[in-house]
Amino acid sequence: QSALTQPASVSGSPGQSITISCTGTSSDVGGYNYVSWYQQHPGKAPKLMIYDVSNRPSGVSNRFSGSKSGNTASLTISGLQAEDEADYYCSSYTSTSTRVFGGGTKLTVL
Amino acid sequence: QVQLVESGGGLVKPGGSLRLSCAASGFTFSDHYMSWIRQAPGKGLEWVSYISSSSSSYTNYADSVKGRFTISRDNAKNSLFLQMNSLRAEDTAVYYCARDGNWLDPWGQGTLVTVSS
Repeated sequence: QSALTQPASVSGSPGQSITISCTGTSSDVGGYNYVSWYQQHPGKAPKLMIYDVSNRPSGVSNRFSGSKSGNTASLTISGLQAEDEADYYCSSYTSTSTRVFGGGTKLTVL
Repeated sequence: QVQLVESGGGLVKPGGSLRLSCAASGFTFSDHYMSWIRQAPGKGLEWVSYISSSSSSYTNYADSVKGRFTISRDNAKNSLFLQMNSLRAEDTAVYYCARDGNWLDPWGQGTLVTVSS
């Protein structure tokens, strides 16, 4: 199972919006509405930010939103804040009943 | 509160074995699928394995560990396990357990496995 494709890095200034893409195939991202996104700060465990493409868990800021079009899912962070600086990973269920992650995107808040 | 605590990591020689444990609390463990995920130093996340909730547990594995790793659970003790055999240098990673409901939440703090001679 190949990893989903994410940009290695993105950056933005405080208050701006950024979008991180996650590209897979019809056997994973495109075939199921089971895309999730995770935030990981250095030395910490990942934290769920978005599940089932566009749902936010309780306690996650509404500045985080998710969407999907075809084989590409996206995470958008609006009103960028310094605390958003972290690594972000997408994940999807697959046609072989496994899970697959993206390679991760490092978000830098300028 | 919902909590997962991994243990059992350490230094092991190539070809050796190690058994990881994950203790769950704060939720009905037996109702949920569970997964193991790993992260090599400085690298991204890699899903390793999951196990279904029931006693007749359905399991699945990443190709990279199939035939070497075995996931299991003890619902009476709210515990998840990962038996790792024939370990290789490339298995060196922090291993996380997570509750699996088509999304992974929460995650434990992780346990470090180092495979080196």
